[in-house]
Amino acid sequence: AQSVTQPDIHITVSEGASLELRCNYSYGATPYLFWYVQSPGQGLQLLLKYFSGDTLVQGIKGFEAEFKRSQSSFNLRKPSVHWSDAAEYFCAVGTRSNDYKLSFGAGTTVTVRA
Amino acid sequence: DAGVTQSPTHLIKTRGQHVTLRCSPISGHKSVSWYQQVLGQGPQFIFQYYEKEERGRGNFPDRFSARQFPNYSSELNVNALLLGDSALYLCASSKDTPPVNTEAFFGQGTRLTVV
Repeated sequence: AQSVTQPDIHITVSEGASLELRCNYSYGATPYLFWYVQSPGQGLQLLLKYFSGDTLVQGIKGFEAEFKRSQSSFNLRKPSVHWSDAAEYFCAVGTRSNDYKLSFGAGTTVTVRA
Repeated sequence: DAGVTQSPTHLIKTRGQHVTLRCSPISGHKSVSWYQQVLGQGPQFIFQYYEKEERGRGNFPDRFSARQFPNYSSELNVNALLLGDSALYLCASSKDTPPVNTEAFFGQGTRLTVV
């Protein structure tokens, strides 16, 4: 079974600084990979996804992520954060088998200080 | 276009009661998935339906059941509620069976509190 680890529970970053959120997965084959963002009291919004091809993926709101097979990682980055980026971020994995679920990490809460 | 809509937004139930949560997918989407998100954790998969058939079931007790209607809307039912069922219940819709080459769009969720 696949699993997802987000090592950082909480990250605080200054507005304008760069941000990197870590995600490691466990799965025997190449998974489908996703990053979602959740603002307080809201549902999940898809930031970006990786299915195949170019390992550097561009998403919405200026986010990007890089799939590294050798490290089983799919880290999310943003060069310059805005106060509106304060939220909870979830990495998720889907498989290429007949297992139709997404497996989510526990999430990383991002706080942006002025 | 309307997104995924869930109802109700919030509800409070007593232990032992039954609850029904509802979800309307995005127009044209035939797949609905349900997730449970306990406070401080990531969402956990409960069910996935495609074309009214159950395609996947997570590790939840039989007290949890779901169905999908001909118009692709869905209901999640939970019987004999426990305090531990308190959570945000998320519905996601997809054009096809996720996650194969498709993305899931999530609703705002239903916040269930069991007292």
